[in-house]
Order: sequence, then structure tokens, then C-alpha cells
Amino acid sequence: QVQLQQSGPGLVKPSQTLSLTCAISGDSVSRNNAAWNWIRQSPSRGLEWLGRTYYRSKWFNDYAVSVKTRITINPDTSKNQFSLQLNSVTPEDTAVYYCSREGVAGKLDLWGQGTLVTVSS
Amino acid sequence: DIQVTQSPSSLSASVGDRVTITCRASQSIASHLNWYQHKPGRAPKLLIYAASNLQSGVPSRFSGSGSGTDFTLTISSLQPEDFATYFCQPSYITPYAFGQGTKLEIK
Repeated sequence: QVQLQQSGPGLVKPSQTLSLTCAISGDSVSRNNAAWNWIRQSPSRGLEWLGRTYYRSKWFNDYAVSVKTRITINPDTSKNQFSLQLNSVTPEDTAVYYCSREGVAGKLDLWGQGTLVTVSS
Repeated sequence: DIQVTQSPSSLSASVGDRVTITCRASQSIASHLNWYQHKPGRAPKLLIYAASNLQSGVPSRFSGSGSGTDFTLTISSLQPEDFATYFCQPSYITPYAFGQGTKLEIK
């Protein structure tokens, strides 16, 4: 069964780095017709797409403009997972973070369980 | 960037009712629009992709239509498990946007 399993801390201090990992089972992070996304949801901003990584003979990334200077999404082929790093966090980064697989037609057809990350001292 | 406006933001309905939710994109996106269902504490679930294609395993009471800038999600006969929040997502090009969501509540 294909699954995405998220892991990472639920509490991050302001100005520090938020780090989450999404482990993939039943699929491959290197598959040529998939992309691997991070999305977050907060009451104030609703659902917000953060970025994605994907392999098309080489690795590519796309990032949202709102976080482009602070975000890194990296694949880890040895562990078949991908990660999110968001630097210099503020309380406005408090949200439920989801990883998601993007298949054909840009559909987000598989989601992780979600991780509530609170930015607070 | 493509913006999307979803309406209504909330909707009260009864079991057995037919409901329709709309999504309007800021520019033409052909049929590149997906619909999701989201329940509290759970991961979003893909219902419809490419405007009108039912995702595998999704009940046939869910349907989607539209192209260009205007799209609809219809639930033909509401079931108790359908009370949730629904949102649309244009998938034409990144950065992806999401609709603001429609919270479907029991009347």
C-alpha cells in the first residue's frame, strides 16, 4: 500500500529552522512522472502550497514566492524520502504541514497524515 | 499567478440534498482543476481531477464539470459522511493555489 509518513518536531522556536521529513512507501521519490510537494494549512492563510521536488532526468524544484528565500525541499534517494526545511521561522509559520504526491494531471492523490508545527518560544 | 475564488464559503444542507460548489479561476486553465474533501484531523482526499474525472474509489454521487475559468463540484445526494470542507485546486502551473474552502454543514 502506498503511504506517506511524516516526521519531525511539533514545536520550533522563532528564528530557528523547521525541518520535516516525508518517507515514501510503495512508490519512488525518483519516479519520472511524479512530484513531491509540501503544503500547509493555517486558519489565517487557508491551504498554502509551499513547493515541490521532482525528477526528470535530473532534479528540479519549484517554490512559492512567499517562502522562496527561506525554503529548501530535498529528495533523499537512499532513504526514499523528501524533506522540508524552512528557515527563520516566525509565529506566522505555525500551521499543519502536509506532504503530498503529485501524479498525472497535477492531482495531489496521496497525502501524509499532517504535522502541526507551532512556532513559539 | 493563477488565483481561484470558491463559493459559497459555507453551506447548510440535509442528507439526500443535491449540492453544488463553484470555483472560478483568474485566467483560463482549460480542464486543469482538482477537487478535494477535507475532514478535521485527517489528510485531504482527492475526489475529482482534471475537472470531471472521478478519482478511483470515490463514490459516483460526486461529479465535476467545467472548463476555462468556471468549474463546479456536485454531490447528487448527500450522505452523512459527506459533511466536510471542500476545496478546489487549479493544477495548470505552479505556484499552485487553493480555493478558500466550502464548509458543508448539516442543516
